[in-house]
Order: sequence, then C-alpha cells, then structure tokens
Amino acid sequence: DVKVTQSSRYLVKRTGEKVFLECVQDMDHENMFWYRQDPGLGLRLIYFSYDVKMKEKGDIPEGYSVSREKKERFSLILESASTNQTSMYLCASSSARQGREKLFFGSGTQLSVL
Amino acid sequence: QQQVKQSPQSLIVQKGGISIINCAYENTAFDYFPWYQQFPGKGPALLIAIRPDVSEKKEGRFTISFNKSAKQFSLHIMDSQPGDSATYFCAASVEANFNKFYFGSGTKLNVKP
Repeated sequence: DVKVTQSSRYLVKRTGEKVFLECVQDMDHENMFWYRQDPGLGLRLIYFSYDVKMKEKGDIPEGYSVSREKKERFSLILESASTNQTSMYLCASSSARQGREKLFFGSGTQLSVL
Repeated sequence: QQQVKQSPQSLIVQKGGISIINCAYENTAFDYFPWYQQFPGKGPALLIAIRPDVSEKKEGRFTISFNKSAKQFSLHIMDSQPGDSATYFCAASVEANFNKFYFGSGTKLNVKP
C-alpha cells in the first residue's frame, strides 16, 4: 500500500513565523500535491509538483511556496504565517503512469496560527 | 467559484437506510468523477469513480449514478452502516490533466445504529 506521511499531526504557530510542512511518499510517485481542507469549502489545491524541482500553482497559491528537492519529499512553506492560514493541510501523491487518476492522501496536518 | 457543488452538507441516516449525496458541475470537459471517503483523523481515500460513458457504476453497497445531460452525479450507499459514518467528497477532473481535481464541499454522513 502507498504510504503518504505528513511529519506533524498538529502544529501551533504564531503570526509572522515561517512554517514548514513536510510530506514523504514511499511509492516512487512522480506527482505530489498540497491541498487545504476547510469546512464548507472542501479541498482546494495549493501547489502540485510533477517532478523534482518542478512545481505549478494550484487554485490558492498566495502566501505559500513549495520545495521538491527529492522525488519522495514535498514541502509546503508558509513564509509569514497569518491567522487565515489556520486550516487542515493535506498532502497527496499519484503516479504519472499506471493508476494516475488515483490520489493517495496523508492523514493531514492541522495548523493553527495564533 | 466552486466548480463542483455538493449537497447536502450533512446527512443523518438510520442503519439499513439509503444515503444519497448529490453533486453538480458546469464544465462539460470533465470526464472523470471520483468519490473520496474520509474518516476522522485520516486523509481522504478513493471510494469509487465513474466516467461519463456509463450512467451507473456499482461496487458493493456503493453506487454512482451519472446524468450527463443534467451535469449531475450522485453517490448512493445502500444498507448504510455505522461504519460508513465519514465525510464524503465528490470530485471532477479532465482525464488529460489528472493533476487538477476539483472537489465538492463535502458531506458529513452519520449513520445511527
């Protein structure tokens, strides 16, 4: 089974802090994603990466950046955290070849910005 | 502007009943429609999916009904069980670009024993 691991389950940060959310997948997937989950809004795509060092903006990239230095690892960076970035963050991965329509999600990081 | 609209926001069903969740979309280019199931404390997991060349797909107690002309699709859970209590998300994508999924707002299902 594919495993997508997010480094923290809960995170509490202060306004203005730089925040790193880490995600690792173990199935050699080419594609990795960061989504944000908010009640009543569903899942919204922040960024995705289709290869090492390659990234594309999703629907809500403002205030976020990403880094993919290794195939298995995809990091989401909040340069200066704000209270409106309090949310559940979900990392996902998928294959670019067989079964590419299926997303595999991590368990999420609940971030609170105070 | 949400590309996929999902209703209801929450649903309470008695054990053994039928749970129905509806989704609607506008973009006729969408050609892949999955449903994801999310249990508390877990990430969403693919439950079932349909492509528009069929009007219905069934996997066990879970059925997707698809109405291409109305641009609507729905998830039916037959003989609902307390273990089905979860949040369900519909989604839509274009097969040529599986990097972009548009998710509905989610439905929290509670199946009472």
